[in-house]
Amino acid sequence: QLQLQESGPGLVKPSETLSLTCSVSGGSISSSNYYWGWIRQSPGRGLEWIGSIYYSGSTFYNPSLQSRVTVSLDTSMNQFSLRLTSVTAADTAVYYCARQRDDFSPEYWGQGTLVTVSS
Amino acid sequence: QSALTQPPSVSGSPGQSVTISCTGTSSDVGSYNRVCWYQQPPGTAPKLMIYEVSNRPSGVPDRFSGSKSGNTASLTISGLQAEDEADYYCSSYTRSSTHNYVFGTGTKVTVL
Repeated sequence: QLQLQESGPGLVKPSETLSLTCSVSGGSISSSNYYWGWIRQSPGRGLEWIGSIYYSGSTFYNPSLQSRVTVSLDTSMNQFSLRLTSVTAADTAVYYCARQRDDFSPEYWGQGTLVTVSS
Repeated sequence: QSALTQPPSVSGSPGQSVTISCTGTSSDVGSYNRVCWYQQPPGTAPKLMIYEVSNRPSGVPDRFSGSKSGNTASLTISGLQAEDEADYYCSSYTRSSTHNYVFGTGTKVTVL
């Protein structure tokens, strides 16, 4: 059974960079035809797709966040990562990592990790 | 990209059926058969219940069914059970110059 687990700081200061890692077990992130993505959820913004990376390394980002987001793969560690720069309080949310089907729909989700942006 | 529109809440008694609507546009729901539905009990991650408008992943009860007409998708829960009480979200693939993805505003299902 595929499992995903997010890890990273729970508190980030305004203007700094949010960095999270998703560890994948029970399957390889190099498996063909899957995307690996990040989604966040907050009371004010609901569920919001952030960005995804294809097994081949191609990346796709939400246009509203594109200037601040980087998603990358680490096949040696079977992990993928999120970087979000210049964060503000509006970036406070529960961040989920997910495996997406070839139709881009998120299928398996991590348990989520709360990231608070505050000084 | 705007969120898909769902009613804030629906309710029903055990054994009844409830239907949740999800209204998008011709750029998302209306253009692609890539609508999903997720169930999210409090404090947990969303769980995929329906993909590609009407397909159920293995293990999802056949009480859950999905459909689409034009720019609106729907999720029907038949034979409502207490364990179905949760938030439900729809989602859809969309595309402008590249891949994009949008979620619904969410619906709280209450079992009376």
